[in-house]
Amino acid sequence: DAKTTQPNSMESNEEEPVHLPCNHSTISGTDYIHWYRQLPSQGPEYVIHGLTSNVNNRMASLAIAEDRKSSTLILHRATLRDAAVYYCILRDPLSGNTPLVFGKGTRLSVIA
Amino acid sequence: NAGVTQTPKFRILKIGQSMTLQCTQDMNHNYMYWYRQDPGMGLKLIYYSVGAGITDKGEVPNGYNVSRSTTEDFPLRLELAAPSQTSVYFCASSYPGFASGYTFGSGTRLTVV
Repeated sequence: DAKTTQPNSMESNEEEPVHLPCNHSTISGTDYIHWYRQLPSQGPEYVIHGLTSNVNNRMASLAIAEDRKSSTLILHRATLRDAAVYYCILRDPLSGNTPLVFGKGTRLSVIA
Repeated sequence: NAGVTQTPKFRILKIGQSMTLQCTQDMNHNYMYWYRQDPGMGLKLIYYSVGAGITDKGEVPNGYNVSRSTTEDFPLRLELAAPSQTSVYFCASSYPGFASGYTFGSGTRLTVV
């Protein structure tokens, strides 16, 4: 399976935009990029996913590089509630329904 | 809408004891999963199920057993608890398909002493 690389931790000021990077240089042409986040003392929750085009939803935006070797999760205005561990995960639809594999993710701290 | 419900939330076991972690979902999801998360680490898959009567091993199945007799329930059984099984256990469910997001429960924090 193609792997992802994320910084261990990042810090942001409240109400500022946050750009969380993910490198996936060995991504295959059919891999989708999924993001989950895990708030303190909770289970992970789905954030967003995409293939090639940038994607937006109520939680975040996903910007995907043209060569697809990297992507960025964008939180437009960080709040204290966005402090969490963010996981970038590749999923290949051709691999069937193989369960999600979580790495260590990026721990985002938000400063008031 | 309850989503995925896990019980108990906390438990302390003595070495060698057994217990069952309960997981129930009310979203009619076909797929269910058990993960464990050690401190400071990502989640590791223990077992998963693609439907009633069907289960499969994940990355770390040793010391655990599962069953899936109904769509709603996916209990995880620990036999002969060991300190290495001290962890937070998360149950999740999803519809089939790679694009389906997982819904996770709030976890069971288990300590084996």
